[in-house]
Amino acid sequence: SQQGEEDPQALSIQEGENATMNCSYKTSINNLQWYRQNSGRGLVHLILIRSNEREKHSGRLRVTLDTSKKSSSLLITASRAADTASYFCATVNAGNNRKLIWGLGTSLGVNP
Amino acid sequence: ETGVTQSPTHLIKTRGQQVTLRCSSQSGHNTVSWYQQALGQGPQFIFQYYREEENGRGNFPPRFSGLQFPNYSSELNVNALELDDSALYLCASSPRGQGNYGYTFGSGTRLTVV
Repeated sequence: SQQGEEDPQALSIQEGENATMNCSYKTSINNLQWYRQNSGRGLVHLILIRSNEREKHSGRLRVTLDTSKKSSSLLITASRAADTASYFCATVNAGNNRKLIWGLGTSLGVNP
Repeated sequence: ETGVTQSPTHLIKTRGQQVTLRCSSQSGHNTVSWYQQALGQGPQFIFQYYREEENGRGNFPPRFSGLQFPNYSSELNVNALELDDSALYLCASSPRGQGNYGYTFGSGTRLTVV
């Protein structure tokens, strides 16, 4: 079963613009992770944010977590054509840390 | 440090057949998880192996089975293939048996059942 939803389902922007993707989830979590997937191949881990953290940065990535709203956002600043991919959020739920529960993903297109 | 490798890359099987997919975990990782990703969907958890034992299972029938070997590599076996088994199968490894770390994924095996 899917944990929640990413919003928007698809996003198209110009190179240099910022891209924001949102993720909602349903249950109490241990942590939330963001992954990128190129052309239906393997997933690449981008960033992990724990339930007691509110914001985290990694290079051009900024992730926020609001546990009261059960939501997270991923911001990619100064986007590049190479950022074109699908982005997924996945949660590790409190009490069951053996699996990731995934959303449906956001398809990001960055036009040169 | 090597990443996660999966084989084969692509596979076409006939309904009713059996298939074995293989995964070599990243060096130093003792936990392997398998996921099924249908087209346009997020991955679905199949099961996880830790120290050669199944350590958690998703909502998949018993015809999906697995193994983990002493070197932490793993196999996913699917018997009596059905058309709906067509998907990308992803293997992920992580250190320890818990989900408190990011997972390293392989490039996946694209299975087509005809």
